[in-house]
Amino acid sequence: QSALTQPASVSGSPGQSITISCTGTSSDIGAYNYVSWYQQYPGKAPKLMIYDVSNRPSGISNRFSGSKSGNTASLTISGLQAEDEADYYCFSYGGAFGTGTEVTVL
Amino acid sequence: EVQLVESGGGLVQPGGSLRLSCAASGFTFSTYWMNWVRQAPGKGLEWVANIKEDGSVKNYGDSVKGRFTISRDNAQNSLSLQMNSLRADDTAVYYCARNRGYETFDIWGQGTMVTVSS
Repeated sequence: QSALTQPASVSGSPGQSITISCTGTSSDIGAYNYVSWYQQYPGKAPKLMIYDVSNRPSGISNRFSGSKSGNTASLTISGLQAEDEADYYCFSYGGAFGTGTEVTVL
Repeated sequence: EVQLVESGGGLVQPGGSLRLSCAASGFTFSTYWMNWVRQAPGKGLEWVANIKEDGSVKNYGDSVKGRFTISRDNAQNSLSLQMNSLRADDTAVYYCARNRGYETFDIWGQGTMVTVSS
């Protein structure tokens, strides 16, 4: 159950697109199409943004999209907005969260 | 409204015990796997444990195996986490979270803080 690897921080200007990577192994991300992504504001509970690699729950903006290639999953935020500034975590079937990425909107 | 509300957190001495509870409402509790997830101050999320709909299967993270016990009462729509032999590194906000499909956490509680300190 080793933590999945994410970049510590990613930044972008309003309107730009950013991508957050989440790297695992052939035993977790590479083996299953069960990767989810969570958004967390300081002092708040996490919120599900993407599940099963690329599916959005009801109510989540289509500016958020997910994908996977080999042992790495990715979350892309298009048309970056100030409200997207938060921490983001991936999670893979097998029981491990990613290390977390702080997104800053410049 | 679908809701999870944790309780039971507080200050406990190293080596002590604490029992957390999570009250579920707004959905059919007995048809979902449930989880505990924690977050140490300033750190990332860590999955702690989960339990099958009927309580027959329980899984634990390596850091809590043998010390924590997850349980549920479907008649009372409640989830519990019994924490024994607590250590300073168990200090964290503990969230209960509902499972959707394969280990996707779609509903979260607001969290309850556990501090292990002398």
